[in-house]
Amino acid sequence: AQSVTQLDSHVSVSEGTPVLLRCNYSSSYSPSLFWYVQHPNKGLQLLLKYTSAATLVKGINGFEAEFKKSETSFHLTKPSAHMSDAAEYFCVVSDRAWGETDKLIFGTGTRLQVFP
Amino acid sequence: NAGVTQTPKFRVLKTGQSMTLLCAQDMNHEYMYWYRQDPGMGLRLIHYSVGEGTTAKGEVPDGYNVSRLKKQNFLLGLESAAPSQTSVYFCASSYQRYNEQFFGPGTRLTVL
Repeated sequence: AQSVTQLDSHVSVSEGTPVLLRCNYSSSYSPSLFWYVQHPNKGLQLLLKYTSAATLVKGINGFEAEFKKSETSFHLTKPSAHMSDAAEYFCVVSDRAWGETDKLIFGTGTRLQVFP
Repeated sequence: NAGVTQTPKFRVLKTGQSMTLLCAQDMNHEYMYWYRQDPGMGLRLIHYSVGEGTTAKGEVPDGYNVSRLKKQNFLLGLESAAPSQTSVYFCASSYQRYNEQFFGPGTRLTVL
């Protein structure tokens, strides 16, 4: 069965320092992986996605993630945090072998705080 | 394009009352989904639809019903609300299976 684990429920960084949000997944076949961001009282917005093309994926707002099959990881990074990056981030997996369920599996989220 | 819209934005119900949440999308997407978001649990799929006239159960379907009479609309119904259904509800849509989903702004529901 597919699953996704976000290793940190909270991450705090100073503005201008790097961001690392960690995600491990479990998938029986060839997964599609996504990172979504949710700002307070807002819906979810897609940051980036991996669908078996390049393993290093670039997204919006300077974020990128690297798919590492050997480590079953899809960590999200950004070289320099901005105050506007403070939000909740969700790692999501969709397994092409899932069959009839057609669903995304969401991690429990990582809340990113950015201090001035 | 408005994308995915949800009405209402907020609602307070008493136990046993019923209500319908409306989701509309203007992107001509085939797939539509209803999720609930609870603290510390991420998003959980309630029901979904793979096209007009179709519906299917997700991870937590009990206590909810859905209908997709028109391609652009996906309705979520609560026949007899319970305090355990207090949550934030999100609708989403996608063009194809396994594609990224586009989310609405959410409906915050409180059941007293």
